[in-house]
Amino acid sequence: DAEITQSPRHKITETGRQVTLACHQTWNHNNMFWYRQDLGHGLRLIHYSYGVQDTNKGEVSDGYSVSRSNTEDLPLTLESAASSQTSVYFCASSGQANEQFFGPGTRLTVL
Amino acid sequence: AQSVSQHNHHVILSEAASLELGCNYSYGGTVNLFWYVQYPGQHLQLLLKYFSGDPLVKGIKGFEAEFIKSKFSFNLRKPSVQWSDTAEYFCAVKDTDKLIFGTGTRLQVFP
Repeated sequence: DAEITQSPRHKITETGRQVTLACHQTWNHNNMFWYRQDLGHGLRLIHYSYGVQDTNKGEVSDGYSVSRSNTEDLPLTLESAASSQTSVYFCASSGQANEQFFGPGTRLTVL
Repeated sequence: AQSVSQHNHHVILSEAASLELGCNYSYGGTVNLFWYVQYPGQHLQLLLKYFSGDPLVKGIKGFEAEFIKSKFSFNLRKPSVQWSDTAEYFCAVKDTDKLIFGTGTRLQVFP
């Protein structure tokens, strides 16, 4: 069955370190998205991609970057982790029907 | 850009009570609307969606939603909730190929 996987599922890091969160989908979807989920804010879009070599900034993109070198993967990089980036991160993908399928999430703690 | 408002932040019900969660989006025209559910510790799953046609949409697990264009609303309903419906519920509207999410409603159902 097609799916989206995220790794790691839990990560603790220190302020200032670079962190990369992996997202891999086997749906063969062109569209991929990264969200962060925080209490009181719901899901906020960080970055998204409509295909290979395409990346776009979302609502809360500062301090994050993505790259899309193939259809299956959209890694999210925190260039210099900050405590404000402690959150749960969800990756999602969608095809032409626009229904988004979500990964299991990564809980990131920045100390 | 589109935005979504969910006015009920926290709803507490007893089993067998009826449920209605409000969702309003910001402007009209052609809209694609979604309700997602997130059970404790899990990722988001699609409950139902509206693209066009019958404004009363039926989803999984006995949920339904009604699209009322004149009110810019897409409220979620269930006639009789169960303890297993305890979760967070997110309304979302499509904006180009992205989804804009509301801040979510936490539902607690007590036996």
